[in-house]
Amino acid sequence: GQSLEQPSEVTAVEGAIVQINCTYQTSGFYGLSWYQQHDGGAPTFLSYNALDGLEETGRFSSFLSRSDSYGYLLLQELQMKDSASYFCAVRRAGNMLTFGGGTRLMVKP
Amino acid sequence: NAGVTQTPKFQVLKTGQSMTLQCAQDMNHEYMSWYRQDPGMGLRLIHYSVGAGITDQGEVPNGYNVSRSTTEDFPLRLLSAAPSQTSVYFCASTDSYNEQFFGPGTRLTVL
Repeated sequence: GQSLEQPSEVTAVEGAIVQINCTYQTSGFYGLSWYQQHDGGAPTFLSYNALDGLEETGRFSSFLSRSDSYGYLLLQELQMKDSASYFCAVRRAGNMLTFGGGTRLMVKP
Repeated sequence: NAGVTQTPKFQVLKTGQSMTLQCAQDMNHEYMSWYRQDPGMGLRLIHYSVGAGITDQGEVPNGYNVSRSTTEDFPLRLLSAAPSQTSVYFCASTDSYNEQFFGPGTRLTVL
């Protein structure tokens, strides 16, 4: 079967850096995605890693280590609007995504 | 482009009723999927389609049917609603770069 583990909640202050980890167990791994979801909203795509290493998009970066079945999302220069839930998701054959349970990030002033 | 649209936004059903959740996309994506999200949890895949005429089951398909007669539309049918199907339902389509675009969701309550 498939399983993904990520912390349920993280708190940080405005301007800080926060890292959200994700470990996974799956068969037929193609890549790791990250999605952001604000309360009452739909998930929106942040990043996708198919290969080992770091991908940077503005204030957000995502890292993947396939040998360790591990990835993380790094958020820099935190802003209040970054308060949301963040989901890692494993891409498997047939473009199927399996989502983790989500990490609720609270940014405090 | 409207992206992915879903109707209705909210729905209340009685146990045993059936209904269809509508989903449409105008991005010409081949891959579409349906998820349900229960409070405080991640999304679980119900059914997906890799193109018109082709559908397959996801993790939690029981109680749901889908069809894909066109590239644009991917309706989800609840056969006989149960309280356990109370959830938020998201439809999504995927581009060739593995980005999933989600619709705004349908909030369903089954009494």
